[in-house]
Amino acid sequence: NAGVTQTPKFQVLKTGQSMTLQCAQDMNHEYMSWYRQDPGMGLRLIHYSVGAGITDQGEVPNGYNVSRSTTEDFPLRLLSAAPSQTSVYFCASSRAGTLGEQYFGPGTRLTVT
Amino acid sequence: GENVEQHPSTLSVQEGDSAVIKCTYSDSASNYFPWYKQELGKRPQLIIDIRSNVGEKKDQRIAVTLNKTAKHFSLHITETQPEDSAVYFCAAPLTGFQKLVFGTGTRLLVSP
Repeated sequence: NAGVTQTPKFQVLKTGQSMTLQCAQDMNHEYMSWYRQDPGMGLRLIHYSVGAGITDQGEVPNGYNVSRSTTEDFPLRLLSAAPSQTSVYFCASSRAGTLGEQYFGPGTRLTVT
Repeated sequence: GENVEQHPSTLSVQEGDSAVIKCTYSDSASNYFPWYKQELGKRPQLIIDIRSNVGEKKDQRIAVTLNKTAKHFSLHITETQPEDSAVYFCAAPLTGFQKLVFGTGTRLLVSP
């Protein structure tokens, strides 16, 4: 199993540009989530999904959209990039009922200039 | 609001010493408390967890304790080694167990 994969690993955007961060898992996990990691602020939940077709907001959802059309994929869309969105983004997945046992992807380092 | 507080933010110890990291949580319904370790440039990985029906759990040099009355839980690392150097995160499930909220992390540095 590849586990949780994310693309790209690195990305530089200009303010106002849009892009999609890709996330996929091959473990048939129902739960998937996106976090951003900033120095001194830990991992903050952006959006999450408890299954295909179901998504909900986390702590810091503004400026981001998600969709979950399949169990495997959970893309994160930046609508109009801002410097405040410069961060490391992690996707994670877990089985239903085991929210604490999350498997993380390798992360995407995003810089917005 | 619902949150998880973690202390200290940084912790420096000598090899062989013990290290303790503490977290408090706000949702009294939380029943599962995982700890993650993140090495430099890597992804967070689950290292140990504890459920609300036990007070302590050990795995070799790592132990977690839980005080549900006070709503706090702790990670204990004994006989620390340089490879224990990393950032450690505590977490707790909140809001009907559909969100996992993380603490702000503790950077542990173990000096030889």
